[in-house]
Amino acid sequence: AQSVTQLGSHVSVSEGALVLLRCNYSSSVPPYLFWYVQYPNQGLQLLLKYTTGATLVKGINGFEAEFKKSETSFHLTKPSAHMSDAAEYFCAVSTAGGTSYGKLTFGQGTILTVHP
Amino acid sequence: EPEVTQTPSHQVTQMGQEVILRCVPISNHLYFYWYRQILGQKVEFLVSFYNNEISEKSEIFDDQFSVERPDGSNFTLKIRSTKLEDSAMYFCASTSQGLSGANVLTFGAGSRLTVL
Repeated sequence: AQSVTQLGSHVSVSEGALVLLRCNYSSSVPPYLFWYVQYPNQGLQLLLKYTTGATLVKGINGFEAEFKKSETSFHLTKPSAHMSDAAEYFCAVSTAGGTSYGKLTFGQGTILTVHP
Repeated sequence: EPEVTQTPSHQVTQMGQEVILRCVPISNHLYFYWYRQILGQKVEFLVSFYNNEISEKSEIFDDQFSVERPDGSNFTLKIRSTKLEDSAMYFCASTSQGLSGANVLTFGAGSRLTVL
């Protein structure tokens, strides 16, 4: 069984400040890890993913995340927040292989607010 | 950029009525999924569909739910007799392959179902 915990349902930062959204996962097999972003009235858009290989993953819009197996974490960061980053962010886990690849287990989401 | 299209964007229905939510996945995709998000809760996997049959379903996906791909382009979710607790945002997703970690789910913008 898999699970995802996102610490903090709401995170508020100032424009230009560091963004850190926390995600911890539980998986009995090597996980695939994802961050999705949802802007108002839009679908879930993939920010970045970790499957295998390099543990520091770079995504779109300047975001990156680091897979830390020892800490079972996959925190999302961005050095400098923009107003346009305001959205809801979802961490998700899946396991490799077969159609279960598309069976994502999501965290509860973190709403990011960016203040001028 | 190819996208997954969902209709309607919002549907209000009376308890006990049948509802059909429609999705047009990306044209070359082969694996299809429905997820839902009850307000304030996590995005949850409902069902995956490949080669014209259900490949996996969750406990939520009981006999009241059904999916089909009636014409090679649309992918529908039917709820036979809606309950109040079916009120949620329903997301359709698709991917070209389920076997490779390089592939990701593309989500639609969602259909909000309100059951009165």
